Amino acid sequence: GENVEQHPSTLSVQEGDSAVIKCTYSDSASNYFPWYKQELGKRPQLIIDIRSNVGEKKDQRIAVTLNKTAKHFSLHITETQPEDSAVYFCAATHPFSGNTPLVFGKGTRLSVIA
Amino acid sequence: GAGVSQSPSNKVTEKGKDVELRCDPISGHTALYWYRQSLGQGLEFLIYFQGNSAPDKSGLPSDRFSAERTGGSVSTLTIQRTQQEDSAVYLCASSMGQKNNEQFFGPGTRLTVL
Repeated sequence: GENVEQHPSTLSVQEGDSAVIKCTYSDSASNYFPWYKQELGKRPQLIIDIRSNVGEKKDQRIAVTLNKTAKHFSLHITETQPEDSAVYFCAATHPFSGNTPLVFGKGTRLSVIA
Repeated sequence: GAGVSQSPSNKVTEKGKDVELRCDPISGHTALYWYRQSLGQGLEFLIYFQGNSAPDKSGLPSDRFSAERTGGSVSTLTIQRTQQEDSAVYLCASSMGQKNNEQFFGPGTRLTVL
């Protein structure tokens, strides 16, 4: 089955700097890669996702890149702000028909220092 | 509209007791997932329901765990003879049931087994 590795487990950046979180996956059939943000005590919320037919996707200060050959994808947050502090999870799945469960990485705790 | 809801928000039980956790998905969502999040860990898939199909139970850690989904809507996760290692946050998510659609998470039930 699919296995997702996520690095680093913790990341501290100064406000205004960029943050990069990297994930690798094992199943070459995976074709959907969402990123979730979980603030302390709250539910995970989708912030961005990418499908295997594109290599990069941006949404304001957030971008995700995908390298299918190397089986890795990354989250990039630019101009970080204190409210970006949270745990970020990457995930992968490959629905052959309908939805399938997400396989999550273990998360990255991002701290943005003002 | 209302998001995914779960009850109770917190549950404290004694080792050996049975517990039931409830999930109300977003109306119209045909796919429903249960995940478990242990302290400081990622999200571990437990079980998945899609429409009227047989559920995918491949993530259930033991036969003490079971889940039902009545009428294609509300789901109940039951843990029998609880153990201390069952202590975790149990998260439910739902999606529209088409390929790669966003999974919306509930707030979770924090289970503590004493």
